Amino acid sequence: EVQLVQSGAEVKKPGESLRISCKGSGYTFTNNWITWVRQMPGKGLEWMGRIDPSDSSTNYSPSFQGHVTFSADKSVSTVYLQWSSLKDSDTAMYYCVRGRGWVDYWGQGTLVTVSS
Amino acid sequence: EVVLTQSPGTLSLSPGERATLSCRASQSVTGRYLAWIQQRAGQSPRLLIYDASTRATGIPDRFSGSGSGTDFTLTISRLEPEDFAVYYCQQYDSFPLTFGGGTKVEIK
Repeated sequence: EVQLVQSGAEVKKPGESLRISCKGSGYTFTNNWITWVRQMPGKGLEWMGRIDPSDSSTNYSPSFQGHVTFSADKSVSTVYLQWSSLKDSDTAMYYCVRGRGWVDYWGQGTLVTVSS
Repeated sequence: EVVLTQSPGTLSLSPGERATLSCRASQSVTGRYLAWIQQRAGQSPRLLIYDASTRATGIPDRFSGSGSGTDFTLTISRLEPEDFAVYYCQQYDSFPLTFGGGTKVEIK
């Protein structure tokens, strides 16, 4: 069974750093890109970008370029989403999803709350 | 950036009725590279349709997708209780990939 399991909810202060994770199982992890999707409270889905776990190639949406960083460790079938300095506006649910174009398997989401 | 406009914003229907959801793109989506995604309240989204009309694994045949170019449609032939949810379209033809704003299908 294909699964993407994300790390747990986080509560942070503005300016703090954070890394959340997404671990894949049930398939060959390096055969599929992983896409990150943001959903702000009560809002729709936003495409953040994607990473190829086989070589850590990345594509970032211009809306997120420079503010987040994707990385991968294929030895543990895990990709990461990282912020060096969080803002209040980063409060959202973040999903990792398998796929480069259309995306099929979704993680359960990681809720990130940024508040002073 | 391709802007996807979904209509209506909210669709109020009864179980057993037919639902027709629209997704209009600001420029042509070549290759019919468009997907439909369902999100039930409090749950992660799930893929329904890709390549405009191909149902994803395990998706019932009451869900169908159609369209090309700039106009796409998701049809639910007979609404089941579990179909009341928010539906998003997503284009993966051009970078950056984008989602529509969503259509909420609610119980009338």
